[in-house]
Order: sequence, then C-alpha cells, then structure tokens
Amino acid sequence: GESVGLHLPTLSVQEGDNSIINCAYSNSASDYFIWYKQESGKGPQFIIDIRSNMDKRQGQRVTVLLNKTVKHLSLQIAATQPGDSAVYFCAEADSGTYKYIFGTGTRLKVLA
Amino acid sequence: KAGVTQTPRYLIKTRGQQVTLSCSPISGHRSVSWYQQTPGQGLQFLFEYFSETQRNKGNFPGRFSGRQFSNSRSEMNVSTLELGDSALYLCASSKTLAGGETQYFGPGTRLLVL
Repeated sequence: GESVGLHLPTLSVQEGDNSIINCAYSNSASDYFIWYKQESGKGPQFIIDIRSNMDKRQGQRVTVLLNKTVKHLSLQIAATQPGDSAVYFCAEADSGTYKYIFGTGTRLKVLA
Repeated sequence: KAGVTQTPRYLIKTRGQQVTLSCSPISGHRSVSWYQQTPGQGLQFLFEYFSETQRNKGNFPGRFSGRQFSNSRSEMNVSTLELGDSALYLCASSKTLAGGETQYFGPGTRLLVL
C-alpha cells in the first residue's frame, strides 16, 4: 500500500532572527540529549548535546535548553543564516539501556 | 580525523535480490549503529554492534541483518528485497555503546528497490 509521508513541522525564520526549535522527549529515564542537523542528501550532523545534570548548554550560535520536569528540549540558533536551513532532529538516549530515540524532526527555512 | 564512511553511496536493486552495505566508523570508535530513514517513517533504528556483538536491535524483520568485524567496520545485509526497503541507510559510530555517547553519522547509502 501507499505509505503516508511524515508531516514535518516547518519553522520559517527571517535571516538574522533567532530560531527556536522545540522537542518533546518520551523516556523519563533518558539522561543524554543531542541535536542533529540534516541537510538534503546528507547524513545527520552533530550540533550540540546536553546531559541531564544540566539545564542549559551553549555552543557557537547555538544553545540547548533542557526542562526535565516537562520532558522538553529546545534548540536556539542565534542570528539565523541561510546555511542553517535544514531538518533538525532531537535525540534522547538512556545510558542505562543504551537506547537512542530520534524525534521526527523540524524543518527550518531561512527567508532572505 | 576521518569521519564515518559508507559504501556504496547509491544502489539500485530489484525485488527479491539481496544487498550488502558497508560502514567504516571513526577511528577509535567501537560501536556502530544502523538506521533506516524514509519520508514515511523518519529515522528508525535497525541495530547496534559493539565489539563484534549485536547489543541492541530495533523492530525490523529478520531479512535485515548485520555484523561487525574486529576492526569495528560493519556491514548490514538485506535479503529478499521489497519495494518498501527503498530508503536512506545511515550508519553512526560512537566510542562506546550509544546511549551515553555521541553518535556521528555517515553520509548514508541510498537504496532504490525496483
């Protein structure tokens, strides 16, 4: 039968503005969280990670926020550039069971 | 340091055939995980190998199998191909078992089954 394509949520942002991509995770036991960026035709690329003993971590132009109370993760991209256009995935991992779970992804479109 | 490499990058097969995909992890990484990515299902975990042993397995039929060699290189095999196996197959490596470690992905092998 015909498969139904995943509907990826899309975030459209003006170049130069800040972007915030959200992710709800499912496993309360997850203690490691990662954001990946995937450009068309390429494999996912690691952006930033955070462990459960932290609630914020900053990288170059990116910040990850973790709210364990509501099982929510967000990725903030400062001064969004055209090269940031891609699909962004969050992943949660449980170091006890060694399992990784990926979110469905959010498509970021940067408008010139 | 070289990244994760996958061969071949593109492959066209017909239904009923079998295929073997190869993955070379980042030097020093001992864990290799395989994922299937399709527009319909997103990124789905196939299996993970560490020290030549399968440590985790996703919900795929037995037609999907894999192995890991002593140099940590890994292969996955799909037998009796079906149209629905058309996908981007990604491998990812990490220093130890994924779960507490960052996984780094290769560029993928795009498989088209006709």
